[in-house]
Amino acid sequence: DQQVKQNSPSLSVQEGRISILNCDYTNSMFDYFLWYKKYPAEGPTFLISISSIKDKNEDGRFTVFLNKSAKHLSLHIVPSQPGDSAVYFCAASEGGTSYGKLTFGQGTILTVHP
Amino acid sequence: GAGVSQSPSNKVTEKGKDVELRCDPISGHTALYWYRQRLGQGLEFLIYFQGNSAPDKSGLPSDRFSAERTGESVSTLTIQRTQQEDSAVYLCASSLVKAGAGELFFGEGSRLTVL
Repeated sequence: DQQVKQNSPSLSVQEGRISILNCDYTNSMFDYFLWYKKYPAEGPTFLISISSIKDKNEDGRFTVFLNKSAKHLSLHIVPSQPGDSAVYFCAASEGGTSYGKLTFGQGTILTVHP
Repeated sequence: GAGVSQSPSNKVTEKGKDVELRCDPISGHTALYWYRQRLGQGLEFLIYFQGNSAPDKSGLPSDRFSAERTGESVSTLTIQRTQQEDSAVYLCASSLVKAGAGELFFGEGSRLTVL
């Protein structure tokens, strides 16, 4: 039972264009959503998050959108840069005392071509 | 240290042997987590320590897995009688209690291979 799904294993984008990474979830109790980025042989690093009371959060080139009715979130990277090439994980938490207990998707490999 | 430190970075063991994986969290971080990532999959939650509270062990896959934490510092994850399906990267993370929910700082992981 996969509660967080990233249906695209990989995405290839030209430098300067927009990258859109998608994530779907099934658990209605999820209260907080995050994106992590992972380079090979390194641990994941936090990128951006959004609370369920919001539908958009922006941080520089990164914007996360949340559609609660569709149980869908997406990460937009504009403009994409070659250094953004990494594995991106979507994660969710039920909040409260479980806020750090994250359920992760399988990841999407983003490749940004120069 | 500046970040979460894990050791060993790589461990190859034979089926049936016990292994210990160590994690040094960021100084001052009261919460510590263990996750694992099997090949081609997302991260799976294993266990969570918060201060002196009883740990949340709900993610441990079997009673062969156990973890301890000394105060608010070092943690050790022990896998007894390892099986081939235990092969994975084991990731430790720490956070401040009052940090934004879920903003965990991960170590580089310990890659375990069970032959």
